[in-house]
Parts: sequence; C-alpha cells; structure tokens
Amino acid sequence: GQQLNQSPQSMFIQEGEDVSMNCTSSSIFNTWLWYKQDPGEGPVLLIALYKAGELTSNGRLTAQFGITRKDSFLNISASIPSDVGIYFCAGQFASNYQLIWGAGTKLIIKP
Amino acid sequence: ETGVTQSPTHLIKTRGQQVTLRCSSQSGHNTVSWYQQALGQGPQFIFQYYREEENGRGNFPPRFSGLQFPNYSSELNVNALELDDSALYLCASSLELAGTGELFFGEGSRLTVL
Repeated sequence: GQQLNQSPQSMFIQEGEDVSMNCTSSSIFNTWLWYKQDPGEGPVLLIALYKAGELTSNGRLTAQFGITRKDSFLNISASIPSDVGIYFCAGQFASNYQLIWGAGTKLIIKP
Repeated sequence: ETGVTQSPTHLIKTRGQQVTLRCSSQSGHNTVSWYQQALGQGPQFIFQYYREEENGRGNFPPRFSGLQFPNYSSELNVNALELDDSALYLCASSLELAGTGELFFGEGSRLTVL
C-alpha cells in the first residue's frame, strides 16, 4: 500500500537534545498529522495541520505543513526520556478520510 | 486512555482459518476505521464504517470484511487466513467520518498466523 517517505528511520539522541524529523509525499494532502506510538499501544495524535505553511506547537513539539502541501516536519525541543517511542506522519486527502502513513521514526535516548 | 477497547489483545491462528476481531468505540463517536500494521511499518487503511455502512475501503481483498452495530461498535472478519495477515490490527474511532484526521486508537489486536 501507499506510504509516505519518513526520515530518519531511527534516531539516537542524548537527553536535552533537539530532534527533527520529516515526511515527504508525491501527493498533495489536505491535512498533515503527527502521531506517536508507544510499545503495546495504539498511535496517539500529537499535532494536526490543516493549512499550507501552518506552523503549530504543542508544548515542546512544533510541526509545519509544507507550502507545497507535499511535506511536513516535526521538531521536539529539549528531549526527555518519555519522548522515546515511534513517531508517525500521516496525510489525509480532501476527497476521502483515510490516512496515509509514513513508516515511522523511532526515537531512542542514549543513557 | 482513549476509551477505545479491542479484543482479543493477542491470538494465534493457522493458515486457512477465520478470525473475528472486535472494537468498542469511544462514547459519542459514530465512525470506526480499521488499520493493519505490519511489524516496523505504519498502519495501512483497511476500511471505515460510518453509521453502520462501509464508507471507504483500502487495498485489501474481499476476505477482509466488517460490520458496525447500532451502538457503533465494530467487528473485523478475515477469512482464509494467510501468513502475511500476521500483524497488529488497530481500530480507531472518530467523530463524523474523521474529517479532521483525529483518530482515537485502541491498543490493537496482535494476530499471528502460523
């Protein structure tokens, strides 16, 4: 099935560092979303973006909807241990409501 | 916690068997979507149910079928199981067709096909 191009695949960082990940698509989306999935859990919505160029924050998280509507990025500032998990981008077309997902970025914090 | 519950949490089947997975949606939500998540991958859309009718389907064969009940709970049925059907099956509930993209997921049902 169709998937978005999400990078990096995994990140090893020190506590306190900033994190950046991005997602690109060959298709134009109406909505970009970022979800986080912890082990044994379903994904949880972090940020939703509805307008090209939109920059939205949720605490230490900031995400942007690319101007071309084909990309998005997520930044996490001053990472803490509970940030560990897998982060997924997802795009939604205007014409239907299914979400198209990236393969995820696994965030690991080095002890 | 989202209020979306799925059962069973884990199950093991053999090729050719049939399986039914169940989902109770969050209170007030009338839309349920099902996703398949293979190991190391993002979720793949199977189908969505809105007010007891199928409202969109991903690239899955007809042996994947579903139901939504008047209380908006839902079932996913898979017939003639194949090894590649081994995955985490996620149910997500939402308000009014999930037009905002905001889905509330359950913990999933992990299916292993031997």
